[in-house]
Amino acid sequence: DGGITQSPKYLFRKEGQNVTLSCEQNLNHDAMYWYRQDPGQGLRLIYYSQIVNDFQKGDIAEGYSVSREKKESFPLTVTSAQKNPTAFYLCASSAGERDYGYTFGSGTRLTVV
Amino acid sequence: ILNVEQSPQSLHVQEGDSTNFTCSFPSSNFYALHWYRWETAKSPEALFVMTLNGDEKKKGRISATLNTKEGYSYLYIKGSQPEDSATYLCASLNAGNNRKLIWGLGTSLAVNP
Repeated sequence: DGGITQSPKYLFRKEGQNVTLSCEQNLNHDAMYWYRQDPGQGLRLIYYSQIVNDFQKGDIAEGYSVSREKKESFPLTVTSAQKNPTAFYLCASSAGERDYGYTFGSGTRLTVV
Repeated sequence: ILNVEQSPQSLHVQEGDSTNFTCSFPSSNFYALHWYRWETAKSPEALFVMTLNGDEKKKGRISATLNTKEGYSYLYIKGSQPEDSATYLCASLNAGNNRKLIWGLGTSLAVNP
């Protein structure tokens, strides 16, 4: 079955370390997105990519980096520059947001210890 | 900054009750309106994507309407069941916003058996 796989489900990071969250899709979608959710806040866009080898900053890109070397994969790196990284991270993909809904992964909960 | 507002924030109903909630979004340069259902411990699931003023869509006991001139959408659930318990999110896509969805905070629905 087609879908999006995020891994790991839970991740613990020591302060000062970079960590990479994986997002893989087999839906043949061009567009992929990374969101962050914090308690009491709506989904906030970190980065998005509409095509391979291209990506744009979202609303809260500082302290994060991404790559889009393959259509199927859109990994997110949370760097040590991200001051408050503890959050729930969701990856999504879309065949075209005007006509199709997003397909979401199951999320990664990152905790800084 | 474009805002999407949802009301009520939370709702408790009895099994069998019908219910509805509201999503308000910027009407200028409207492009599309998305509705999602997000059950606890699962991924958000797309319910509807609507683009035309007066659109009505239905999926089982759930339906939605769209008024792009005044900037609101209603989501209706007929004969609520416990499995309908979830957070319902809407998101607006407006032309000129770099194809980024703007998300509401959601309406949390609890259906008591």
